[in-house]
Formats: sequence, structure tokens, C-alpha cells
Amino acid sequence: SQTIHQWPATLVQPVGSPLSLECTVEGTSNPNLYWYRQAAGRGLQLLFYSVGIGQISSEVPQNLSASRPQDRQFILSSKKLLLSDSGFYLCAWSVPSLSYEQYFGPGTRLTVT
Amino acid sequence: ILNVEQSPQSLHVQEGDSTNFTCSFPSSNFYALHWYRWETAKSPEALFVMTLNGDEKKKGRISATLNTKEGYSYLYIKGSQPEDSATYLCAFNTNAGKSTFGDGTTLTVKP
Repeated sequence: SQTIHQWPATLVQPVGSPLSLECTVEGTSNPNLYWYRQAAGRGLQLLFYSVGIGQISSEVPQNLSASRPQDRQFILSSKKLLLSDSGFYLCAWSVPSLSYEQYFGPGTRLTVT
Repeated sequence: ILNVEQSPQSLHVQEGDSTNFTCSFPSSNFYALHWYRWETAKSPEALFVMTLNGDEKKKGRISATLNTKEGYSYLYIKGSQPEDSATYLCAFNTNAGKSTFGDGTTLTVKP
């Protein structure tokens, strides 16, 4: 069966510090991978998605970047965090071309102080 | 930019009430419409995926319908229970592989 791991679960970082959130998927090959953010009181905003190693699409201009160094590894990064980067970050995967139903990780609560 | 809208934003009902929510999405380039349930302190979980105009799906007391020509989907909950309390998200897909989510409807069912 497929499993998605995401860490850390919670993170408190000062403004201007770097960020690295990691997501890994087990039990599937060549998944589509996604990073979402839920800001306070809002729904899910797609930040990045990837259809393969090294292939990253950015959805909104922002202070964040993503990388996919391995087939089942997706990393969300920032060089310098802003207060507005606070939120709940979710990683997800889907089977390509099969309705794109998303399977979500447990999420990371990021607070930038 | 694709616009997916859900209404109402929040809903409070009594146990036993039936309720429904709406998801509106673009009627062009439709590929799939998903409903997810997001309970507090958990991750969103898929309820239904619908791909054809006129689709109706049912899981227990929860059902959903789809109208791709006019761009809307309804989610119905019959006889709401406290454990149905959650945020219900809909997501619209073109065949490009990414989902556009609505802001969700937060349902609170009071015992």
C-alpha cells in the first residue's frame, strides 16, 4: 500500500531564516507530487506540482521554491522566511492520468515569528 | 486562473438534519471533480471523484451529483451526525494534472 510521509509536523522559525520541508512517498512509482498551503481561514492553495524528477511547476509568485531530487521525494524550501509564509503545508501525490485524486500527507504547521 | 467556489462557507445544523453544499467550477476543459472531507487534526481524504456529466455517487448517508455543462456539483448529507463535522472541499481538475480547490464548507453538527 502507498504511504506518504511529511516532516516536521510543526515548526516555529524566525523571519529571515531558511526553510526545508520534506515529503516522501512509498509504494508507488512516478507519482505526481504537490505542495499546498492553507492560510488561516482559507482553502488549499496549490504552490507547486511535479510530474517527474526535476520537473517543477510553480503556481503562484512567492518566497518559496520546490525541488524533486528523486522520484518519490519532494522538498519545499525558502532562503528567507517572511511572516506571510506562516500556514499549514500539505504534500500530496496522485496517480498520473487517473482522475488525479489526491492523497495527502499529515501536514506541517509553520509559524514564522 | 480557475475559479472554484463553494457555498455556504460554514453551516451549523442539528443532529438528524439533512443538508447540502454547492461547488461551482468552470464548465470548460472539465476532466474530474473531487470531493474531500477534512476533519480537524487530520489530512483531507477523498470522498468522491466524478468524471461524467450527470454522475451521482453515494457513500452511506453522503451523496454527490455533477453537472458539467453548467459547472456545479452538490454534496448531500442525509441525517447529519456529529461525526460528519468537518470541512468539505471540492477540487476541479483539467487533464493537466493539477487540482484547483475551493475554500471549503465547514459543517458543524450539534448533538
